[in-house]
Amino acid sequence: QQPVQSPQAVILREGEDAVINCSSSKALYSVHWYRQKHGEAPIFLMILLKGGEQKGHDKISASFNEKKQQSSLYLTASQLSYSGTYFCGTEGSGANNLFFGTGTRLTVIP
Amino acid sequence: EPEVTQTPSHQVTQMGQEVILRCVPISNHLYFYWYRQILGQKVEFLVSFYNNEISEKSEIFDDQFSVERPDGSNFTLKIRSTKLEDSAMYFCASSGQGNSPLHFGNGTRLTVT
Repeated sequence: QQPVQSPQAVILREGEDAVINCSSSKALYSVHWYRQKHGEAPIFLMILLKGGEQKGHDKISASFNEKKQQSSLYLTASQLSYSGTYFCGTEGSGANNLFFGTGTRLTVIP
Repeated sequence: EPEVTQTPSHQVTQMGQEVILRCVPISNHLYFYWYRQILGQKVEFLVSFYNNEISEKSEIFDDQFSVERPDGSNFTLKIRSTKLEDSAMYFCASSGQGNSPLHFGNGTRLTVT
């Protein structure tokens, strides 16, 4: 039930772009994205409910391919504040659970 | 802005002891969750709770665990007989409805010695 994320870790310089992928072996109804700073709680970034939906939040956006059971998070022109661990969370239809992926540790350096 | 609050922030207990972790979800939220995170690892789903009953639970949530909403505001996680491997950060979360964002508390760090 747990989705798989890639890459596991990425290091960027300020201003560079990154893509984080999330895939599941099960049919998905929704995909959530969260960011967690060290020692803190996960913070909600966005949720995608429809296949093919793309949502944006500042310079962070995401897509959801329902047929492929995949989602991708796009970070453009990265800032130091983007550093943290990014988790995708997936839910099946009718489910009241959110299983998080393995996480992607993103480090942005000056 | 309303937030989820958890107490205590840090709990140290001896193996075999019972612990109760407390959470106050956002007041108009209907769905409540417990997750745990072993240091440096992924956030693991334990249980979800809706309409005064468990709606989903993971294989981690065995007979040692129980949840309760004793009144209109608190949501508790009880571990009956703690084991060393229960040491982790435990996060409570709530959401207003299904498939809506989860709001997490700051967590309780449980250390079992």
